[in-house]
Amino acid sequence: EDQVTQSPEALRLQEGESSSLNCSYTVSGLRGLFWYRQDPGKGPEFLFTLYSAGEEKEKERLKATLTKKESFLHITAPKPEDSATYLCAVQAWETSGSRLTFGEGTQLTVNP
Amino acid sequence: DAGVTQSPTHLIKTRGQQVTLRCSPKSGHDTVSWYQQALGQGPQFIFQYYEEEERQRGNFPDRFSGHQFPNYSSELNVNALLLGDSALYLCASSTGTSRDTQYFGPGTRLTVL
Repeated sequence: EDQVTQSPEALRLQEGESSSLNCSYTVSGLRGLFWYRQDPGKGPEFLFTLYSAGEEKEKERLKATLTKKESFLHITAPKPEDSATYLCAVQAWETSGSRLTFGEGTQLTVNP
Repeated sequence: DAGVTQSPTHLIKTRGQQVTLRCSPKSGHDTVSWYQQALGQGPQFIFQYYEEEERQRGNFPDRFSGHQFPNYSSELNVNALLLGDSALYLCASSTGTSRDTQYFGPGTRLTVL
């Protein structure tokens, strides 16, 4: 069974204070690892897809990296508008279908 | 280009009732997945529809059923509602190709009293 564990559960940063969120996973065969951002009461917003160990992707203040067992979402010089819950999900190679298995998320608060 | 849309936005039902939620996928997408998200938790996969058939199903009881129409839109039906069915129901659309990214709608907030 695929499993995703995110840490920490909650993170409080000061504006400009860089940090990283962790996503550890176990999956029979990784098809893709996805990062989403979710604001309260809204649907998840797609950020990145990573496919293989060593891959990195960047978007503004966010950078996602992938190893064979975990992924990190690095946040450089965060701003208050980066406050949200960040969700990690894995997709396994399966005979049919493309379900996502999500972690519980990391709730990020950036104080001005 | 419209993204994924869902209706209604909010819904209040009582135990034992039935509910139908609707989803229209992003333009060009032919695959629809449904997820249930309880407060403070990550989304849980319910099922996925492709070519009007259920292609994959998560660990949810038969009370949860769905349908996909020829225009790729989809419905989620839940019968005999329980208090524990209260959650945010998310629809995601994607293409049927491999390694496809799923794009989510805004969700339907279901409250069961």
